[in-house]
Amino acid sequence: KQEVTQIPAALSVPEGENLVLNCSFTDSAIYNLQWFRQDPGKGLTSLLLIQSSQREQTSGRLNASLDKSSGRSTLYIAASQPGDSATYLCAVAGRRALTFGSGTRLQVQP
Amino acid sequence: GAVVSQHPSRVICKSGTSVKIECRSLDFQATTMFWYRQFPKQSLMLMATSNEGSKATYEQGVEKDKFLINHASLTLSTLTVTSAHPEDSSFYICSASATSGSPGMKAEQFFGPGTRLTVL
Repeated sequence: KQEVTQIPAALSVPEGENLVLNCSFTDSAIYNLQWFRQDPGKGLTSLLLIQSSQREQTSGRLNASLDKSSGRSTLYIAASQPGDSATYLCAVAGRRALTFGSGTRLQVQP
Repeated sequence: GAVVSQHPSRVICKSGTSVKIECRSLDFQATTMFWYRQFPKQSLMLMATSNEGSKATYEQGVEKDKFLINHASLTLSTLTVTSAHPEDSSFYICSASATSGSPGMKAEQFFGPGTRLTVL
């Protein structure tokens, strides 16, 4: 059974800092990995999707990497802003299901 | 990008009543739709997968008679929580994919905004 772990569970940083969120998974037989953002009481906003054959994806200030063999992904956020404050979820797509991590709650202090 | 809507966004009901939640793909045909549940400060848990025109596949531990799923068209899936009880209070989120099959397919899933259900 796939297990997805996200570290840290919570993170508070001052505005402008670069930061890294970590995601690890136990079963490397995945089709893709997605990073989502979730604001309190809201649905999911897809940030980046990395196919299993890819090593990274970039969108604006976000960069996500994937090392399938070691079961790890990182989400790099450059020059963080207060508007980046949210919970960030990673999810891996295996043969059977999309499995979510428990998320990292990010607070960017102005 | 692909848009998925959910209705209602929030519902409060009395214990014992049934509640229907709609999930619509607005600008694409969703061959497969997924229903998730999210308890406070927890992650999303897949409840069931539905392919248009066929019966839904439920995850282990999810009661099919309590959570009725209908995927009658390529743009609409409904989740009915029957005889709701306070322990069913949760955030329900649907997602849709333009390809058929399990959630493990390469196609991206597009998520709805969620429905907050509160059962008194």
